[in-house]
Amino acid sequence: DADVTQTPRNRITKTGKRIMLECSQTKGHDRMYWYRQDPGLGLRLIYYSFDVKDINKGEISDGYSVSRQAQAKFSLSLESAIPNQTALYFCATSTSGAYNEQFFGPGTRLTVL
Amino acid sequence: AQKITQTQPGMFVQEKEAVTLDCTYDTSDPSYGLFWYKQPSSGEMIFLIYQGSYDQQNATEGRYSLNFQKARKSANLVISASQLGDSAMYFCAMRELVYNQGGKLIFGQGTELSVKP
Repeated sequence: DADVTQTPRNRITKTGKRIMLECSQTKGHDRMYWYRQDPGLGLRLIYYSFDVKDINKGEISDGYSVSRQAQAKFSLSLESAIPNQTALYFCATSTSGAYNEQFFGPGTRLTVL
Repeated sequence: AQKITQTQPGMFVQEKEAVTLDCTYDTSDPSYGLFWYKQPSSGEMIFLIYQGSYDQQNATEGRYSLNFQKARKSANLVISASQLGDSAMYFCAMRELVYNQGGKLIFGQGTELSVKP
């Protein structure tokens, strides 16, 4: 079984709809991240969480919100989706130690019409 | 300011030959880590190799090696004996350890590698 899972894997929605992307991990990591990938721009950080009570904005948090329901679950919400939020979204986890790699989920491909 | 720069949007290499993917970075953090990830067409992000800023030797992982030149702030990925399955997008990323307590990764724009048979 995958260590970091994301649901849904693909989603098509309409402008103005609320949508939630979910991430679960079985790695026991404290830190979780949400990234967005647009063509030609690499990955950019939306939000990150050190633990359940510690959530922080990344470089492109406008239009998004998150919830850390448990150590293993970190959800990303688009309150009112717009077409320029069409992208590939990744969840990632890591420990809090130095030099540790981030483990990525398989990604969610979101299309906003 | 761009912190990770990958200047090669696309690269071609002949199967079984070696290829170098360039990455330069910019940071004033005294302690940092550099990563390379592979993203095949299926979309997942696959960790390849890591180099710490204080590591004395260049990192190697199988056919992957990282040519780390700290003074030049470069961390190039070398893939030896390219295989068709190496065709993918490759991302260089950096994690600053003192100024960036969140541990977030800063990514470059990526290099698309195509391996020719």
